[in-house]
Parts: sequence; C-alpha cells; structure tokens
Amino acid sequence: EVQLVESGGDLVQPGGSLRLSCEASGFTFRSYWMSWVRQAPGRGLEWVATINQDGSEISYVDSVKGRLTISRDNARDSLYLQMSSLRAEDTAEYYCAREASGYGSSWLFDYWGRGTLLTVSS
Amino acid sequence: QPVLTQSSSASASLGSSVRLTCTLSSGHSTYMIGWHQQQPGKAPRYLMKVEGSGSYDKGSGVPDRFSGSSSGADRYLTISNLQSEDEADYYCETWDSNVRVFGGGTRLTVL
Repeated sequence: EVQLVESGGDLVQPGGSLRLSCEASGFTFRSYWMSWVRQAPGRGLEWVATINQDGSEISYVDSVKGRLTISRDNARDSLYLQMSSLRAEDTAEYYCAREASGYGSSWLFDYWGRGTLLTVSS
Repeated sequence: QPVLTQSSSASASLGSSVRLTCTLSSGHSTYMIGWHQQQPGKAPRYLMKVEGSGSYDKGSGVPDRFSGSSSGADRYLTISNLQSEDEADYYCETWDSNVRVFGGGTRLTVL
C-alpha cells in the first residue's frame, strides 16, 4: 500500500525557517517524480514544487522561488521542503504527492499524503 | 501554461447523477487532466485521469459510480447514484513541461 506521511509543520514567525519532511513507503520511491502541494485555509489546491527521480530536474511556482527548496533522499525514501523567509501567505496545509511519472503517459498526482500544517504568524 | 476553469459549486439530490466540468484554456484542448476529490477535513484523493479522446482510467478503489468523459476542451466527471459521502470539493489538474496546474475546484452539495 502506497503511503506518504508528512511531518514538520509548526507555528513560525514571519521571516523564519522550517523544513517539512515526507516519508514514503509501499512503492519504489526512487522511480517517481514527487511534489509538494499546499492549501491555504478555505482555499483551493496550489502546486508548490516538483522534483524528478534523481533531483536533477526541479521546478517551483513563481511565488516561492528563492525561498523554498525541494529535495529528496532516495536512500531514506524521503522528500523535503526547506522553507525560509516565511510570510503569512505561506500559511497552509502542505501535502506531499506522488506523480505518475510518465507511466500510462501521465504526470498527474496519483497518491497524496495527509498533510502537515504550517502557520506563519507573530 | 494551461488554465483550468471549474464552476465554484454544484448540487444534486441523493441517488441522482451529477456531471462536473473542467475546461481547458485555448491551445490546450487536447491535454489529459486528472480529477481529485477532497472530502471535508481530509486530504485530496486521486479519482481518475481523463484524456482528450474521452477515455478514462480510475485510481485504485474508486467506485464504479464515478466515470469520466471529454468533449473538445471540456473534461467531465460524472457521479451516478449520489451518496452522502460524495459531498466534497472536486479539483481537476494537469501539467505542462515543469508546471502543474489546478482548477479552482467545485464544491458539490448532496441534497
């Protein structure tokens, strides 16, 4: 069974830093692209960042470029999101999501974690 | 990059059927999309992918009541025999190069 378990969410002051983690199990983690998706309170889903299997291809939504860094450790089956210069508008539930990675010609998200909550407030 | 447009809300009666629409922006009408369900207070769940041809492929464990179809730039999610647990937000999703895009979501109310 595919499982994605996020952790690391917390209350952080504006300008602060935090690292989110996502531990994967039930599939060959190193074979899949992975992403972070966030959802601000009462709002819709927003894609944040994506990383390919070996970390050589990374992309971000414009609003987080230069402040958030996605990375992975295939030996630990883990995905990370290093966050710095945090703003109130970064407050959201952060989800780890697996991409179909071209299988069946799809790069859609096919599995989701349960999320971890980041609150940025003084 | 593509833009996905969804109605903000929909409603239908228990036991009836409802069709939700996701419309692709101009120049992207052939794109594959995915449908995701988010029940209140829960994480999103992948339902299916829908291709421009109208073919669809559901995720693991998705009930037979859920189906997909396509017409031009529109991609549809049809839910038959509506159940109370179908009351949720439904999002469509697609990708282009290294960008992933979500629609704004449709909140489905089961009456």
